[in-house]
Amino acid sequence: GQNIDQPTEMTATEGAIVQINCTYQTSGFNGLFWYQQHAGEAPTFLSYNVLDGLEEKGRFSSFLSRSKGYSYLLLKELQMKDSASYLCAVNYGQNFVFGPGTRLSVLP
Amino acid sequence: DVKVTQSSRYLVKRTGEKVFLECVQDMDHENMFWYRQDPGLGLRLIYFSYDVKMKEKGDIPEGYSVSREKKERFSLILESASTNQTSMYLCASSLRGQRYGYTFGSGTRLTVV
Repeated sequence: GQNIDQPTEMTATEGAIVQINCTYQTSGFNGLFWYQQHAGEAPTFLSYNVLDGLEEKGRFSSFLSRSKGYSYLLLKELQMKDSASYLCAVNYGQNFVFGPGTRLSVLP
Repeated sequence: DVKVTQSSRYLVKRTGEKVFLECVQDMDHENMFWYRQDPGLGLRLIYFSYDVKMKEKGDIPEGYSVSREKKERFSLILESASTNQTSMYLCASSLRGQRYGYTFGSGTRLTVV
């Protein structure tokens, strides 16, 4: 199968910047998505990368390096409401393979 | 607004019962998926469907079956529920094509006792 790795947990302070990394197997890669999931809720779409480089969307940015099988999600000006799990998902065709998720805790 | 609706938010069933989890989407999406989500394991694909009356096994289909008689509805069936099927079940849908992400339902937390 296609393993996707993310750190299990991260902690950061309100107002800071945090980077959440994701590594994946490159064979068959068709695109990478990031989702946000608050506790007890469904995941919601954050970003999509298919070409190398940085995609910026407000306080959130996502970076992709296809040759390295590497992506990161960058969250700026952290707010308490950003405390959630962040899921990296890779498209290997019609389906997605999800990473285990990174639980981010934002502290005051 | 795009919507995926799962029929129950919480369910408690007994071991050996037949369980139906229903999912309906109103976006005319071709693709529909059933995942389960467990702590430390992430989302794992159970079954998916790219069209009406079509189904494909995902990574963990054992103990489950599905039905897609209409485009908007995708049902997950636990033929004989077991305690190891206690989990959060998430339904998702998407348009056909690689660039389209999923829209998820709000999930059904199933407990089998």
